[in-house]
Amino acid sequence: QKEVEQNSGPLSVPEGAIASLNCTYSDRVSQSFFWYRQYSGKSPELIMSIYSNGDKEDGRFTAQLNKASQYVSLLIRDSQPSDSATYLCAVNDYRGATNKLIFGTGTLLAVQP
Amino acid sequence: GEEVAQTPKHLVRGEGQKAKLYCAPIKGHSYVFWYQQVLKNEFKFLISFQNENVFDETGMPKERFSAKCLPNSPCSLEIQATKLEDSAVYFCASHPGDRAGNTIYFGEGSWLTVV
Repeated sequence: QKEVEQNSGPLSVPEGAIASLNCTYSDRVSQSFFWYRQYSGKSPELIMSIYSNGDKEDGRFTAQLNKASQYVSLLIRDSQPSDSATYLCAVNDYRGATNKLIFGTGTLLAVQP
Repeated sequence: GEEVAQTPKHLVRGEGQKAKLYCAPIKGHSYVFWYQQVLKNEFKFLISFQNENVFDETGMPKERFSAKCLPNSPCSLEIQATKLEDSAVYFCASHPGDRAGNTIYFGEGSWLTVV
């Protein structure tokens, strides 16, 4: 079983809709969770970080964390074509306090104008 | 500097040749990470450093791959005798290391093509 799993997509949504991206992780001791956006040919950029159960909102983005279910999600409201990218879920591996991030394979989001 | 600087941006090597990539972390960041991304798949962790010391090398292939972070020099990742499957984007990232939960900051990547 992979440590961080995501549906590879593509996830296609119309402009203005809500895009919902999901991620599950296998290591129960994981404590920090991150969503990165990666445009084709570019490096990942941090969108959201979340450390506690519940929701965290930042503009059009909401991250949701459920540690009991080992599940983290990202909601993008009012999706725009510029949101079209691969979204990477990452989990902080605290074993050995390395601060190493474990990434999923990413979900490709396509927002249709 | 205020960003992670990676060089070269693109590198082409014939099979069996050596490839060397460089990374200058953000000034003041004590942790450096190398990741490999093959064909837009997941990021594979290779190695991390705390200052000039290897911190975690569990992702490094035992043969052909080596890395260093020496004082007052960019960090480097070297691949001896490259193979076709080494073709990937190699991302360097740095981390301030001053409190748990801080994310890591990525460079723009070095695209290695082995032909």
